[in-house]
Amino acid sequence: SYELTQPPSVSVSPGQTASIPCSGDKLVDKYPCWYQQKPGQSPVLVIYQGRKRPSGIPERFSGSHSGDTATLTISGTQAMDEADYYCQAWDDITDWVFGGGTKLTVL
Amino acid sequence: QVLLQESGPGLVRPSETLSLTCTVSGYSISSGYYWGWIRQPPGKGLEWIGSVYHSGNTYYSPSLRSRVTISVDTSKNQFSLKVRSATAADTAVYYCARGNVGAGGDYWGQGTLVTVSS
Repeated sequence: SYELTQPPSVSVSPGQTASIPCSGDKLVDKYPCWYQQKPGQSPVLVIYQGRKRPSGIPERFSGSHSGDTATLTISGTQAMDEADYYCQAWDDITDWVFGGGTKLTVL
Repeated sequence: QVLLQESGPGLVRPSETLSLTCTVSGYSISSGYYWGWIRQPPGKGLEWIGSVYHSGNTYYSPSLRSRVTISVDTSKNQFSLKVRSATAADTAVYYCARGNVGAGGDYWGQGTLVTVSS
């Protein structure tokens, strides 16, 4: 079955740039998405189709993807960005696939 | 505004069937998109369970396919989840969501905790 791999944790200082990678076979062809989830809340879509940002999502969130890797980048990271981030892809066989999640710590 | 709301028992006995319903408002299920169920065990990551498309076609996670059924009731604008032979491993927060191929899940319910315990 298709799998996505994320680092368990990433740390960043306030105001700096955070990058969270997600890897999977030919991920660029599978419309990678990113979700932000804060404790006790539902996931929120922050990036879709690898680099598009839904309305209402701050411009500091951006995405890129190439080959087997998709990356979520948060520029000028703020304390409110501390959350779990999940990548998700579309697979012909298993439909939705989620990565294991990355805990972003802003310190 | 599109809203999704999960409902169902918060406690299920082992070996019984876990049943949840997602009620959609602000959009007609039969108009398009797909409608999915995702779960999150306490302290763990997101796991896709399955989806039903507006056409009625269903897709299930390979690991759960033998125990799961998702159905849609367009007259009530609802879709439902059944997980048979529940075990403690099915204890999780269950979310329903709207999505589209390549566009991600743009609307999610608030989630409902289901505990499988005697």
